[in-house]
Formats: sequence, structure tokens, C-alpha cells
Amino acid sequence: DAGITQSPRHKVTETGTPVTLRCHQTENHRYMYWYRQDPGHGLRLIHYSYGVKDTDKGEVSDGYSVSRSKTEDFLLTLESATSSQTSVYFCAISEFYEQYFGPGTRLTVT
Amino acid sequence: EDQVTQSPEALRLQEGESSSLNCSYTVSGLRGLFWYRQDPGKGPEFLFTLYSAGEEKEKERLKATLTKKESFLHITAPKPEDSATYLCAVQPNTGNQFYFGTGTSLTVIP
Repeated sequence: DAGITQSPRHKVTETGTPVTLRCHQTENHRYMYWYRQDPGHGLRLIHYSYGVKDTDKGEVSDGYSVSRSKTEDFLLTLESATSSQTSVYFCAISEFYEQYFGPGTRLTVT
Repeated sequence: EDQVTQSPEALRLQEGESSSLNCSYTVSGLRGLFWYRQDPGKGPEFLFTLYSAGEEKEKERLKATLTKKESFLHITAPKPEDSATYLCAVQPNTGNQFYFGTGTSLTVIP
């Protein structure tokens, strides 16, 4: 299994609070991605990174920001969580084409 | 617009009953098409990458094929342990984004 961990694995938070999810890799892959997975929508890309301090938006980036200060860590921040951001969040890494996914974080915003 | 459609949404098979899952895609130039398996509560697990029409890949009871408009995942003599959701994704040859279908939920009955 690719060395990808996500933390926390589960989180319940209140509307309006900030939340940060962490993705950590031990594979030294260049690309890192954040997705959300919702019933009926499949996996949708939020943001991705193609190197340290190099990031770009995906198709559902509104309300999310990211940072990558080290190759191994990619952080996803919800500045002010809303109920519509209740979802399962997956991190993925890639060096060439195929992606390898982490175990996911289940986030509930009440 | 780049998009991926998977069918059927759900499929129930008897053990040993072969079948195929479909992934239709629209993309402005294909860099790669990917198949993943996802078990409940886990992240997607990479299965195959296909790059050009006519290409085929095999792994145990699974065989993936690619045409210019769609891909098939053929499952030969499935076993209960093949039960999972199978996801298809495409990467256009411009940019670094991936687009996922909503998946086919496969149940293999003993």
C-alpha cells in the first residue's frame, strides 16, 4: 500500500468553525490532491498541488484553501465550515499518471 | 466539457456469472483512463491505466478494454470477494485534473 495517511479520520464540527485536514505521504510523490466524495456525485477534485508551494484549483474549490510547505504534507482548510461541506474527504498522490488514495476523513458539519 | 458516465449504477451477479461494466467518456484529448476498486469505508484502490484505443489490461478475473468513446471492465467468473464499487476516471491531456464517474456497485452472491 502507498504510504498515505490522513488525519483526523473522523471529525464533527459546528457551522462557522475553521477545520484543517491533513494528508501525509512517505512516497515522495510530486502531485497531491484533495477530493470530496458524495452520493450521486462521485469523487470531485477540490485542489491539487504539483510541488511545494505550487497549488491549483479543482472543480469544487469554493470555500476551501490548501497549503503545501513540505513535499510530504498537504493541508486542506475549511475557513468557515458549512453543512454543505459534510462529506468524505480523500487525499491522493501521484508521480506519473495513476493516483493512490488515502483512507479518507469523514467530516460532519452540524 | 469533460465527463464520465458509468453504467449500470448497480449490478448483482451470481458467483461465476461473468459480466461487464461500462465507462463512457467525453474528453478533449485523453491522457489516460483509470479503473479503481473501492470497498465500503475505504479509499479507492488503483487497478488499471489505459492510454490508447485498443489497449487491454488484465488482473486475475478482471480485464479492462478501451475504445475511443468508452471502456469496459470485464469480470470473468466473479467471486463474492469481487463485491465492491468500481470507479472509472479520465485525465485529459491538458492540465492535471482527473474526472471520475459515480461508479458501479457490484454485488456477487455466493
